[in-house]
Amino acid sequence: DVKVTQSSRYLVKRTGEKVFLECVQDMDHENMFWYRQDPGLGLRLIYFSYDVKMKEKGDIPEGYSVSREKKERFSLILESASTNQTSMYLCATTLGAGGRADTQYFGPGTRLTVL
Amino acid sequence: AQTVTQSQPEMSVQEAETVTLSCTYDTSENNYYLFWYKQPPSRQMILVIRQEAYKQQNATENRFSVNFQKAAKSFSLKISDSQLGDTAMYFCAFGNNDMRFGAGTRLTVKP
Repeated sequence: DVKVTQSSRYLVKRTGEKVFLECVQDMDHENMFWYRQDPGLGLRLIYFSYDVKMKEKGDIPEGYSVSREKKERFSLILESASTNQTSMYLCATTLGAGGRADTQYFGPGTRLTVL
Repeated sequence: AQTVTQSQPEMSVQEAETVTLSCTYDTSENNYYLFWYKQPPSRQMILVIRQEAYKQQNATENRFSVNFQKAAKSFSLKISDSQLGDTAMYFCAFGNNDMRFGAGTRLTVKP
């Protein structure tokens, strides 16, 4: 089974701080994704990566950046955290050529609160 | 752009009964995938069932089945013999070049 882990389940940060959320997968999946989940809005794609050092913007990339230096690790960076970035952040992976249309495997999520 | 609509924010069902969650989507594509994902309280989101649009036969996974109506762009999930462990948020998703998720339906199974 694919295992997707995220560095923290809960995180509290202050406005203006630089925040790093990390995601690690153990099954050699090509594609990795970062979503944020908000009540009534479902999941919205922030960024995804289809290969090491490759990335593409999703629907809501503003205020975020990502890094993928190794295949198994995909980091989400909040350059200067703001209160409107308080949310649940989900990492996901897909195997390969299907890309975003393929079955997604999710991490447990990080609930970030920005004060 | 593709959109996914789940019109039922919350639902409840008695244990052992059957419940149907609704999902509609909008697309001009002909080939795509549809998914139902389950997110139990404080647990990881997992795939429940997947349907390929070119397949007319409705997908089934044990107690979970879908009613896929391609012309109507409808993709509902039926849960038979509901169990307490089915209590979760359920997300409908559309996948083509993009993956789009609905807003979710919170299902509570009551003993």
